[in-house]
Amino acid sequence: DTGVSQNPRHKITKRGQNVTFRCDPISEHNRLYWYRQTLGQGPEFLTYFQNEAQLEKSRLLSDRFSAERPKGSFSTLEIQRTEQGDSAMYLCASSATGTGRGPLHFGNGTRLTVT
Amino acid sequence: GQQVMQIPQYQHVQEGEDFTTYCNSSTTLSNIQWYKQRPGGHPVFLIQLVKSGEVKKQKRLTFQFGEAKKNSSLHITATQTTDVGTYFCAGRGGGGADGLTFGKGTHLIIQP
Repeated sequence: DTGVSQNPRHKITKRGQNVTFRCDPISEHNRLYWYRQTLGQGPEFLTYFQNEAQLEKSRLLSDRFSAERPKGSFSTLEIQRTEQGDSAMYLCASSATGTGRGPLHFGNGTRLTVT
Repeated sequence: GQQVMQIPQYQHVQEGEDFTTYCNSSTTLSNIQWYKQRPGGHPVFLIQLVKSGEVKKQKRLTFQFGEAKKNSSLHITATQTTDVGTYFCAGRGGGGADGLTFGKGTHLIIQP
C-alpha cells in the first residue's frame, strides 16, 4: 500500500492557461474523490467516481473543471482558462466500496497558484 | 444544500488541558467522520460514527454522535503537543449523496 499519489505537488500558472492534475489512488480502491481546500477552510467536495463512472459533481463545480477516470484507476482533473480564484490545494482521496461509505485516504495534494 | 458547522474555529489550550470541538449539521446525517490535519499535511481519518447516540474512544480521544444524528463532538483529555492540528468533522447526508461535506475545522493550538 503506497498510499494515494498526486502529481505535480506544486503548479504555478498564469491566468487563462489550462492545467491538469493527476491522482493515483490506492490500487484496490474503486472510489475516487476530488476536493479543493483553501487556507483555513475545510476540504470542499468537487466530484466523485466509482470505477470509471463519475457519479456525483458539486453544484459549485464550474464548467471550466472536468475530471476523468478512463480505466477506473488513475484520475485527472483539468481546469481550463484558470482564474486567480482557482488558487487552492487540490486533494484527491480514495476509498474502498467493500466497507460501504468508509474512510477517505487523502493524497498530499497539488497546490495550484494562478498569477 | 447540506451545511456542516464547527465551533470553535480556534482553540488555544495549555498542554495538559482538555479540548472539545463541536460539529452541527443542517440535515440528518447517515454517518459522520472525523479527520485530523497537521500543519502542511493532508487530512487523516480518525473515526466514523454511524449509530444514533454512538460513543467511541481512542485513547485520550472521545467521539460522540448525537441522538438526532445532526451533531457530533470530539473531546481530547489532557492534550499533548502531538495533538496540534486542525480537526474536521465530515458528514454524509441520508439522501444517497456520497460526497462528504466537511466543516471548516477547529484549529487546536497548544502552549507548552
